[in-house]
Amino acid sequence: QITLKESGPTLVKPTQTLTLTCTFSGFSFRTSGVGVGWIRQPPRKALEWLALIYWDDDKRYSPSLRSRITVTKDTSKNQVVLTMTNMDPVDTATYYCAHRHGAGVFFDYWGQGTLVTVSS
Amino acid sequence: DIVMTQSPDSLAVSLGERATINCKSSQSVLYSSSNKNSLAWYQQKPGQPPKLLIYWASTRESGVPDRFSGSGSGTDFTLTISSLQAEDVAIYYCQQYYSTPPWTFGQGTKVEIK
Repeated sequence: QITLKESGPTLVKPTQTLTLTCTFSGFSFRTSGVGVGWIRQPPRKALEWLALIYWDDDKRYSPSLRSRITVTKDTSKNQVVLTMTNMDPVDTATYYCAHRHGAGVFFDYWGQGTLVTVSS
Repeated sequence: DIVMTQSPDSLAVSLGERATINCKSSQSVLYSSSNKNSLAWYQQKPGQPPKLLIYWASTRESGVPDRFSGSGSGTDFTLTISSLQAEDVAIYYCQQYYSTPPWTFGQGTKVEIK
């Protein structure tokens, strides 16, 4: 059974750096092909893909956010960490981590999401 | 970037009736070598994460009821709910995963009961 859970601050101030952790179970980065993505959703708005990290440490980023985001993994802990610098109120959103389906870059298991509010 | 545009933004359908949601991509998402379209559909209910329904434009994810079906090719795609049930009230999103990032979502279509 695959599960994912996001954790991190619910409130950050403008210009601060956001660090979110995705802790998962039911799969491992030791398995070829595994990937974990980050997707966000501003309140009452659409989904936006942010980043993806693969089992071999290959990483893909949204070009529009490439300068601000970093994704890393800890294979032994079954965790993925998303770091986003220079947070702004427009970054207020629910942040999801999700398991990449084996057939392509779409997501079959999602965490419940964590709402991050950017406000002074 | 490939822009995904869904229509309509919302629709109200009577229970048991058909619901049809359209998704158009700004460029083709068809892999000619495999004849597969890199298009997925998700369902999102209030307060919940998205749930994968369909991938490769028409392949139903395991456990998804067969009243959900996907069709289309190239740039034009459709999600059909053949007989709307109360539990299908949700927002539906399409997503393209063609080639290189960014992998983009449509703006969503809200389905309600008439």
